[in-house]
Amino acid sequence: DVKVTQSSRYLVKRTGEKVFLECVQDMDHENMFWYRQDPGLGLRLIYFSYDVKMKEKGDIPEGYSVSREKKERFSLILESASTNQTSMYLCASSGGSNTDTQYFGPGTRLTVL
Amino acid sequence: AQKITQTQPGMFVQEKEAVTLDCTYDTSDQSYGLFWYKQPSSGEMIFLIYQGSYDEQNATEGRYSLNFQKARKSANLVISASQLGDSAMYFCAMREGRSYGQNFVFGPGTRLSVLP
Repeated sequence: DVKVTQSSRYLVKRTGEKVFLECVQDMDHENMFWYRQDPGLGLRLIYFSYDVKMKEKGDIPEGYSVSREKKERFSLILESASTNQTSMYLCASSGGSNTDTQYFGPGTRLTVL
Repeated sequence: AQKITQTQPGMFVQEKEAVTLDCTYDTSDQSYGLFWYKQPSSGEMIFLIYQGSYDEQNATEGRYSLNFQKARKSANLVISASQLGDSAMYFCAMREGRSYGQNFVFGPGTRLSVLP
């Protein structure tokens, strides 16, 4: 069975803090993605990675960075959290014989105070 | 311009009845893929069904079927015999061209409520 896990379901941080969101997949997928989801704006792609140590900017990379040191793990980093980064963050992966379908983790609801 | 349009912000259906959720898309690519995801209130996006642009048969997965009309650029999701657990947000998505997956666009979603 496909499994994508995220380190936290809920997270509360203060403005200016450095925030790490971790995502792990166990399907040996090449591709991993970070999205944020906001009411009225839908899902927006922040960053994606198609291989270890490789990353590409999505539609809204500003204020975020990512790290992929191992194939199964993709981290999203907020260097200095701001209130406008309060959102739902969804991680996804794709690859293997079906490179199209993205499988999602449970999401992390981040609140920045 | 919107690449994926879901014109129904909210839908109601009686338990055990069938319901159709609309999705139209816009692409000039010949090769593309269409997806439906379900998002319950817990937040997880659950993959439901996939249709490739070259697939001649409509995709089916259990109670889910995708009514693919290529000329009209529509990919409606049909849920048969609705259950209370089907109450959720439903998102239509498209992957354009051949890619690693970055060209993956989601629609705004439709909130389905199943009534007992």
